[in-house]
Amino acid sequence: GENVEQHPSTLSVQEGDSAVIKCTYSDSASNYFPWYKQELGKRPQLIIDIRSNVGEKKDQRIAVTLNKTAKHFSLHITETQPEDSAVYFCAASYGNKLVFGAGTILRVKS
Amino acid sequence: SAVISQKPSRDICQRGTSLTIQCQVDSQVTMMFWYRQQPGQSLTLIATANQGSEATYESGFVIDKFPISRPNLTFSTLTVSNMSPEDSSIYLCSFGGAPDTEAFFGQGTRLTVV
Repeated sequence: GENVEQHPSTLSVQEGDSAVIKCTYSDSASNYFPWYKQELGKRPQLIIDIRSNVGEKKDQRIAVTLNKTAKHFSLHITETQPEDSAVYFCAASYGNKLVFGAGTILRVKS
Repeated sequence: SAVISQKPSRDICQRGTSLTIQCQVDSQVTMMFWYRQQPGQSLTLIATANQGSEATYESGFVIDKFPISRPNLTFSTLTVSNMSPEDSSIYLCSFGGAPDTEAFFGQGTRLTVV
């Protein structure tokens, strides 16, 4: 069925450290994997995405890796800052819709 | 990029009543999506709204409870009918996202049913 698992549910890191969030999906036909950041009381905003023909994508301090064989993808945030504190959701495409992971609360301690 | 606006931003409603949430996009989009986000939870897709056809509902959601309209390519409404406290949640409209484009979200409607 359509399922996206996301781990960990909560992640606390010291400012300047790296954070990694991992997701797995169930449908090998999925070909689009976005990551969203949601700050308290606000709408989700896309921070990075990757398509199935690419194994890695980087945008400044944020990177995403995709392993299609294993059906998992990961978000990497380097040099974390307090403003990175938020809830992060991964998602995978299933046909014309997105299925979201359960979310990870990231806390960056200064 | 297109702008998507949603209203109301919040409401407190009596149980047994209905609330209609409106979503407006400033450009034409083929599909619009309605999500529910319960406190501290992820986004759960309620239904996909296509212009000119009935909405497609996800498992666990039914048209009688969440009727959707899509009169044109820039507008959609979601009604939460016969509300109970369990319907208290944030409801979000969206467009895009699949098969491989960025999804944009409305600002959400925070619904409290008392």
